[in-house]
Amino acid sequence: DAKTTQPTSMDCAEGRAANLPCNHSTISGNEYVYWYRQIHSQGPQYIIHGLKNNETNEMASLIITEDRKSSTLILPHATLRDTAVYYCIVRKADGAGGTSYGKLTFGQGTILTVHP
Amino acid sequence: DAGITQSPRHKVTETGTPVTLRCHQTENHRYMYWYRQDPGHGLRLIHYSYGVKDTDKGEVSDGYSVSRSKTEDFLLTLESATSSQTSVYFCAIRSGSGSGKNIQYFGAGTRLSVL
Repeated sequence: DAKTTQPTSMDCAEGRAANLPCNHSTISGNEYVYWYRQIHSQGPQYIIHGLKNNETNEMASLIITEDRKSSTLILPHATLRDTAVYYCIVRKADGAGGTSYGKLTFGQGTILTVHP
Repeated sequence: DAGITQSPRHKVTETGTPVTLRCHQTENHRYMYWYRQDPGHGLRLIHYSYGVKDTDKGEVSDGYSVSRSKTEDFLLTLESATSSQTSVYFCAIRSGSGSGKNIQYFGAGTRLSVL
């Protein structure tokens, strides 16, 4: 699975959009980009994932560049409850020579702090 | 929360004692996972299961065993707890199958202290 690089930490004002970048320059064609977050003392929480098209759900939007070497997670109106560690994970689809049985490799992630 | 319950939520034990952590799910998912989380290491996979009585090792399986005698329960056992196994343990289930549908939902965690 491709390696990802994220900034160690970011700040955002409450009510503003939070844009979290992730670099995955070695991504291959059959690898998906997943985003999870972990609020302090809680289990990780799935946010969104995508292959090459931009994706949006009730939590966030995922923008993947055309060359797929980087992506941005967008929280459109950040709140104090969005303060968390955000993880960008790249993983092959099952059956495509990827790691077996869905193992996710969590890196260090980005600590997002939302300020009042 | 995808119907995942971990028990106990907190436990303090002594070195050398056996400890069993339980993960219970209510939605009949095939895949279940045990991770540990330590400062500076992120989450690391201990063991996983791909069906009843079907389990395999993850990247940090030494000192741990697992069992899955029924779909809803995945047990993690520390045969003889050591201080290095002081950690927060998370159980996860995988939702969906097929390309890209590897979404994992995590339990609330068990905080284990081995003294």
